[in-house]
Amino acid sequence: EVQLLESGGGLAQPGGSLRLSCAASGFTFSGYAMSWVRQAPGKGLEWVSAITGPGDRAYYADSVRGRFTISRDNSKNTLFLQMNSLRAEDTAVYYCAKRIPDWYYCDYWGQGTLVTVSS
Amino acid sequence: EIVLTQSPGTLSLSPGERATLSCRASQSVTNNYLAWYQQKPGQAPRLLIYGASSRATGIPDRFSGSGSGTDFTFTISRLEPEDFAVYYCQKYSNSPSLTFGGGTKVEIK
Repeated sequence: EVQLLESGGGLAQPGGSLRLSCAASGFTFSGYAMSWVRQAPGKGLEWVSAITGPGDRAYYADSVRGRFTISRDNSKNTLFLQMNSLRAEDTAVYYCAKRIPDWYYCDYWGQGTLVTVSS
Repeated sequence: EIVLTQSPGTLSLSPGERATLSCRASQSVTNNYLAWYQQKPGQAPRLLIYGASSRATGIPDRFSGSGSGTDFTFTISRLEPEDFAVYYCQKYSNSPSLTFGGGTKVEIK
């Protein structure tokens, strides 16, 4: 059974940092691209970032490029999102999602972790 | 960049009724690479439909999708109590980015 479990969310001050993790199980993690998708309170879904299976290429939405860094540790089946220079508008539930090759839809999602950016 | 517009914003129906949701793209969606997700409060999105009309594994056949080009439709033939939720369409392609529609809330009338 595929499972994705996010952690690392919490309260951060504007300009601060947080690192999200997503622990994966139930599939060959290194064989699949992964994405982060966020959802601001009461709003819709927004794609944030994606990374290839080997972790050699990363992609970002314009809204986070230069501030967020996606990475993965395939030996530990874990996906990361390092978030720096946080802004109030980054407040959202962050979901990790498994992508169907190659760069198709997301077939499995984690339960999400809430990031709140506030002073 | 393709924009997806979902309508209506909210659909008020009773259990047993048919729900018809629309997703319109600002440009033609390549290869009908369109998916539909269901999201219940406090839960992650759940994949229902991909390729505009293919049901994901384990999805009941009361859920269906159709359409091509710029106009897509998602239908629930007979609403069950557990189907009241928000539904999102999503465009995908041979590209890392994903585009979502704004969502349609199906609520109990």
